[in-house]
Amino acid sequence: DVKVTQSSRYLVKRTGEKVFLECVQDMDHENMFWYRQDPGLGLRLIYFSYDVKMKEKGDIPEGYSVSREKKERFSLILESASTNQTSMYLCASSPQGALDDEQYFGPGTRLTVT
Amino acid sequence: AQTVTQSQPEMSVQEAETVTLSCTYDTSESDYYLFWYKQPPSRQMILVIRQEAYKQQNATENRFSVNFQKAAKSFSLKISDSQLGDAAMYFCAYRSPPGVEKLTFGTGTRLTIIP
Repeated sequence: DVKVTQSSRYLVKRTGEKVFLECVQDMDHENMFWYRQDPGLGLRLIYFSYDVKMKEKGDIPEGYSVSREKKERFSLILESASTNQTSMYLCASSPQGALDDEQYFGPGTRLTVT
Repeated sequence: AQTVTQSQPEMSVQEAETVTLSCTYDTSESDYYLFWYKQPPSRQMILVIRQEAYKQQNATENRFSVNFQKAAKSFSLKISDSQLGDAAMYFCAYRSPPGVEKLTFGTGTRLTIIP
């Protein structure tokens, strides 16, 4: 079974703090993704990565950065957290080249910025 | 850019009945993939069913089936014999042609099962 884990289920941070969200997958997938999920807006792609040290901007990258130093780990960084970044963050992974293959999701991190 | 629209924010169905969730999308591509994902309360998102645009036959997975109308750019999900465990948020998603593997999601439909 594919397993995608995220470092925290719930996180509370203060405005201006630097926040790290970690995601680890155990299936040797090349692709990894970070989404944020907001009511009425669905899932929106923040960043994705095709390989180690590779990253691509998604639809809403502003205020975020990412790091992928190892294949299994993809980190989302909020350089200076703001209240409008309060959201559910979902990580996902998928194998490269299998176009009909699904993305496998982690349980999500609910981040509150106060 | 591709867009995915789910016009039903909430739906409800009696247990054992059938319900259809709607999804439309906009694309200029001829080959692509469509997915329905399910997110149960406080649980991980999982794939329900997938459809390749070139396949005319509608996909089926047990009680879940799709009605894929390529010309109308419509991709609805039918759940037969609804069960309490089907209660969840359902997201329709579109994947671009080869070389671009990211998904574009709709805004979701919250499905409630009435016992």
